[in-house]
Amino acid sequence: GAVVSQHPSWVICKSGTSVKIECRSLDFQATTMFWYRQFPKQSLMLMATSNEGSKATYEQGVEKDKFLINHASLTLSTLTVTSAHPEDSSFYICSARILAGAYTGELFFGEGSRLTVL
Amino acid sequence: GESVGLHLPTLSVQEGDNSIINCAYSNSASDYFIWYKQESGKGPQFIIDIRSNMDKRQGQRVTVLLNKTVKHLSLQIAATQPGDSAVYFCAENPGGKLIFGQGTELSVKP
Repeated sequence: GAVVSQHPSWVICKSGTSVKIECRSLDFQATTMFWYRQFPKQSLMLMATSNEGSKATYEQGVEKDKFLINHASLTLSTLTVTSAHPEDSSFYICSARILAGAYTGELFFGEGSRLTVL
Repeated sequence: GESVGLHLPTLSVQEGDNSIINCAYSNSASDYFIWYKQESGKGPQFIIDIRSNMDKRQGQRVTVLLNKTVKHLSLQIAATQPGDSAVYFCAENPGGKLIFGQGTELSVKP
């Protein structure tokens, strides 16, 4: 299967700072990546759909100015949590859709990034 | 955002027994469904999928059943093992994006 890598896997920051999380498809190209957040003991909630070379599409209720998404290449999407506050503490997970090859159309998930805001 | 869940329901089974995990989906337009397994602190792992033109699909030790009439999905795990302990999510695929269901925490007793 394809590999999706997230970095950092965990981060602790002070309230008011910004944090960037990277999502990379290591051995395939992905025109579309998805960002989810997950609170403890809850399901994954889709935040936004990230398309290479264009603006991200955000789900209802997700602040686009708060969660900046950039998808500059076919292998990298970034999520920046701006002016983070304790309520932004969560597990952020990305997934990537394979563009071509044996697994075309399939989604592969990263291992997640745990953000703790003090 | 979509699919904000309540706290996870739990299912406890004895090692060696069969497990059945249920899921209700919401979107009649969904034509593709996936079951994922998530271990603590990790991302979701693909288990098995099914398209809406099928009502049953079998994998290794797992079977997914789809009832489109009542928008219900189930995952059956045969001969459950301690390594199966995890949270299981169903996901539906309306319009190209993946929406997750509430999830069920499976606990396997040795």
